[in-house]
Amino acid sequence: DQQVKQNSPSLSVQEGRISILNCDYTNSMFDYFLWYKKYPAEGPTFLISISSIKDKNEDGRFTVFLNKSAKHLSLHIVPSQPGDSAVYFCAAGYGNKLVFGAGTILRVKS
Amino acid sequence: SAVISQKPSRDICQRGTSLTIQCQVDSQVTMMFWYRQQPGQSLTLIATANQGSEATYESGFVIDKFPISRPNLTFSTLTVSNMSPEDSSIYLCSVGRGFPYEQYFGPGTRLTVT
Repeated sequence: DQQVKQNSPSLSVQEGRISILNCDYTNSMFDYFLWYKKYPAEGPTFLISISSIKDKNEDGRFTVFLNKSAKHLSLHIVPSQPGDSAVYFCAAGYGNKLVFGAGTILRVKS
Repeated sequence: SAVISQKPSRDICQRGTSLTIQCQVDSQVTMMFWYRQQPGQSLTLIATANQGSEATYESGFVIDKFPISRPNLTFSTLTVSNMSPEDSSIYLCSVGRGFPYEQYFGPGTRLTVT
């Protein structure tokens, strides 16, 4: 069973505009969430995290929003840059374990 | 964060053989994790490796197939045993820090079994 779902396999955005990546989860036991970026032939790079007691966390161009009642989180990238083109994974955690979504390919067009 | 290296970066192996993947971290960490990313799939946790104790395996993964060593706080190995083409994947190690429990990943080992 997929506990963490990223329903959009890909997303294409114009440079300078906002990118919004979405993630849904099913398990109420998750108490923190993370976003990772992955380039080909590299390991995932940690971007930003949020604890379940918060509904927003911001770091530079990246903001993560958490809606616990809807079991939904999203990553906003503003403004999007061509270097942001990568695969983005959301992950949900409980204890020291992470469960990853399938990933969304983001393409930022210049 | 942490600087994590893995060896080898890639390998092509014949079925029935075994491959040991090394993971080195630039600082001492309590927990290390091993993941698999099959082609077109997400990352799946294989096991958690604590120094000085047996690794804890996730459902669907067994020690005979994926033996893990954790001899000290900066190093771990994962062996993929008796390989079949279905083992062709990227294998990644990670370490955890802080709360929320952020994990930092190595570059991965791309394994192809023929």
